[in-house]
Amino acid sequence: DAMVIQNPRYQVTQFGKPVTLSCSQTLNHNVMYWYQQKSSQAPKLLFHYYDKDFNNEADTPDNFQSRRPNTSFCFLDIRSPGLGDAAMYLCATSGPRSSYEQYFGPGTRLTVT
Amino acid sequence: AQTVTQSQPEMSVQEAETVTLSCTYDTSESDYYLFWYKQPPSRQMILVIRQEAYKQQNATENRFSVNFQKAAKSFSLKISDSQLGDAAMYFCAYRSPNTGNQFYFGTGTSLTVIP
Repeated sequence: DAMVIQNPRYQVTQFGKPVTLSCSQTLNHNVMYWYQQKSSQAPKLLFHYYDKDFNNEADTPDNFQSRRPNTSFCFLDIRSPGLGDAAMYLCATSGPRSSYEQYFGPGTRLTVT
Repeated sequence: AQTVTQSQPEMSVQEAETVTLSCTYDTSESDYYLFWYKQPPSRQMILVIRQEAYKQQNATENRFSVNFQKAAKSFSLKISDSQLGDAAMYFCAYRSPNTGNQFYFGTGTSLTVIP
């Protein structure tokens, strides 16, 4: 089945230690998104790619970076995680037209110690 | 930016009963798409139903249906014959053809199904 895969599902990192979360998709979608979701809240968009075009949200901290080396893969790098960055990180994909819905991965739960 | 409002943080329903979740949005556009997503406790978000703004007919997917009132900018979700597996967070979302690829989410409604 076509899907969005996130690895790892659970990640523990130390305060200030860089961490990378990965996302892959078999849907061949142009658009890939990274969201941060804290408990019982709506997902907060960090950034998204349309093909290789990177779109950063204005309020996304500089501590968060992303890479998309090809259509299938996208990475979220947190350069110096703080305790406030502990959250669920959701990857999603979508087709280019506004009629397309988003397909979400299962998420990576990040714990910062 | 478009605003999506879900005014019910929590709702509960008895198993087999019907429940309606509310969603309103603010836009000046005439063409757009609306979605309801479900996020069960396992956390994977899945699409429940989609509505195209240009369609007057309300979308229906099995036990799930919407009441789309374009003039009122309202997009409520009705769940009929509620089942225990319907317990989840429900998010309403808006996508515009004019603002790129961004989805605007409401704050969510937590639905509890009582056996």
